[in-house]
Amino acid sequence: EAGVAQSPRYKIIEKRQSVAFWCNPISGHATLYWYQQILGQGPKLLIQFQNNGVVDDSQLPKDRFSAERLKGVDSTLKIQPAKLEDSAVYLCASSLDNEQYFGPGTRLTVT
Amino acid sequence: GENVEQHPSTLSVQEGDSAVIKCTYSDSASNYFPWYKQELGKGPQLIIDIRSNVGEKKDQRIAVTLNKTAKHFSLHITETQPEDSAVYFCAAFRGGSEKLVFGKGTKLTVNP
Repeated sequence: EAGVAQSPRYKIIEKRQSVAFWCNPISGHATLYWYQQILGQGPKLLIQFQNNGVVDDSQLPKDRFSAERLKGVDSTLKIQPAKLEDSAVYLCASSLDNEQYFGPGTRLTVT
Repeated sequence: GENVEQHPSTLSVQEGDSAVIKCTYSDSASNYFPWYKQELGKGPQLIIDIRSNVGEKKDQRIAVTLNKTAKHFSLHITETQPEDSAVYFCAAFRGGSEKLVFGKGTKLTVNP
């Protein structure tokens, strides 16, 4: 069974630029999550989708972050404009029941 | 909301020794407790989990215990090997909120 796929793996941008991350979950997993992991900390949930609907986006900074999962499968997370404090690893996970499986993450560096 | 505390933040053991990582949670309604292992440059990998209707679960060299009354759960790794070196995260999940809350992680180093 293929795991959660994410791209790109690394991205370096300047502050105020925009960036997008892509995630393809495990086939058949209805729930998809985006997490932000700052160095030395545990993952923090940004947004959770159930199929193509948003379940929880309470911790998503909506003035600059947006996410979509139009067809209930792949998802994209966008940051526009980026700030220095957005430097982190962005993890995508998918789940069937409670068990969440993570992708390798995208390491974002904002300079 | 749920809050998960994890200790210690770093742990160094000799190969062959045991390692124990402890977590506490605040929401008594939490009912699922997974543990993740994260190696450098990789995403967290689910290694073991326990549900609130079970007190202990074992899988080869790793085991997890849960004390619902005290709201504690622990990860035990026996006969540690250098490849066990990684950051380990505990988490708590509350059905209904559908949200997994993570501890801050424990960096385990197994010295050969």
